[in-house]
Amino acid sequence: QKEVEQNSGPLSVPEGAIASLNCTYSDRGSQSFFWYRQYSGKSPELIMSIYSNGDKEDGRFTAQLNKASQYVSLLIRDSQPSDSATYLCAVNSGNTPLVFGKGTRLSVIA
Amino acid sequence: EAEVAQSPRYKITEKSQAVAFWCDPISGHATLYWYRQILGQGPELLVQFQDESVVDDSQLPKDRFSAERLKGVDSTLKIQPAELGDSAMYLCASSLPDWSGYTFGSGTRLTVV
Repeated sequence: QKEVEQNSGPLSVPEGAIASLNCTYSDRGSQSFFWYRQYSGKSPELIMSIYSNGDKEDGRFTAQLNKASQYVSLLIRDSQPSDSATYLCAVNSGNTPLVFGKGTRLSVIA
Repeated sequence: EAEVAQSPRYKITEKSQAVAFWCDPISGHATLYWYRQILGQGPELLVQFQDESVVDDSQLPKDRFSAERLKGVDSTLKIQPAELGDSAMYLCASSLPDWSGYTFGSGTRLTVV
């Protein structure tokens, strides 16, 4: 059974701080890694994808991947109240469907 | 911007009744997925289609759930009979073969009473 683990939170950070969200996965054959943001009552929205070890930056978001440790993270710099949402980590290998974690609730306090 | 269309947006039904959800993926997306998301949990795959063929329905409760994509475009997910435990968000997503991530529709929030 392929598993994706996330701390459910809530993770509370002050406005302007860096939020760090973490995810581990069980399948060593995993090849593609995604972060989705989900506002309450809404559907998930893709914000980052990463496929190779290292960092990938897009605006205020940085995804980090370490395949040896089976670990992927998302950093949000200069956090804003509008970043308050649940962040879902998703993983797949080859052409298999995405397996999602349970999500981490982030609360950015103004 | 291209979107995955889903309807209805909300559905309230009594247990033991039948309910159906509809999804129209982004044009050109051959792969279509139905996921179920229970409140406080991550989405869980119900069924995956490649064109009109089912690729993976191993987690679909086939005694009450059915899914079809007859012409390889839009899809319908049906539950009959609905049970209280089926209350959840039903999400449809589509993707290109390059696996650059799914695009989700707005979802159908089902409440079984």
